[in-house]
Amino acid sequence: DVKVTQSSRYLVKRTGEKVFLECVQDMDHENMFWYRQDPGLGLRLIYFSYDVKMKEKGDIPEGYSVSREKKERFSLILESASTNQTSMYLCASSPMAGGTEAFFGQGTRLTVV
Amino acid sequence: AQSVTQLDSHVSVSEGTPVLLRCNYSSSYSPSLFWYVQHPNKGLQLLLKYTSAATLVKGINGFEAEFKKSETSFHLTKPSAHMSDAAEYFCVVSDWQGGGADGLTFGKGTHLIIQP
Repeated sequence: DVKVTQSSRYLVKRTGEKVFLECVQDMDHENMFWYRQDPGLGLRLIYFSYDVKMKEKGDIPEGYSVSREKKERFSLILESASTNQTSMYLCASSPMAGGTEAFFGQGTRLTVV
Repeated sequence: AQSVTQLDSHVSVSEGTPVLLRCNYSSSYSPSLFWYVQHPNKGLQLLLKYTSAATLVKGINGFEAEFKKSETSFHLTKPSAHMSDAAEYFCVVSDWQGGGADGLTFGKGTHLIIQP
């Protein structure tokens, strides 16, 4: 089975902290994505990557950065966490550029206090 | 550019009755379309997908969807609802000819409530 694993299910951080959300996939997929999910807003794309060391901004990249040093791992970084970044974060991967389904991790619920 | 509209934010049905979740899309090219389900505090699971083969697509757990190009719709149906179907459902479009690995475009979701 395809597996996308996010390092934490629940996370509580303080305002101003640097936060790392890690995601690993075991399917050798080229594409990886980070979304955030908020009530009433659905899923919004933060960043995606189609290759190692490559990244593209999604719809809401402000306040976030990403790192993809290895094909299987895609990290989301909150440089200085703020309360408006409290959300559910979902990582996904897919095997090619569009046209195929994405496989999702179980999500990380981040609370910034 | 592509977009997805899920016409109902909430749908409530009685157990054993049919389910209809509506989705309309727009796409400049021939899209791929998906339905995902999300149970509380879980990730998204693929229910079914349309990728330009048969227009009637069967998925897991008895769900199916019909791609209607003339109506730009991809509605999700199930003949008989079960309590375990209570969840959030997302309609998703991927326009791969649009160029670039720009991910998927999600609808805002429909919350399905099953009444006993």
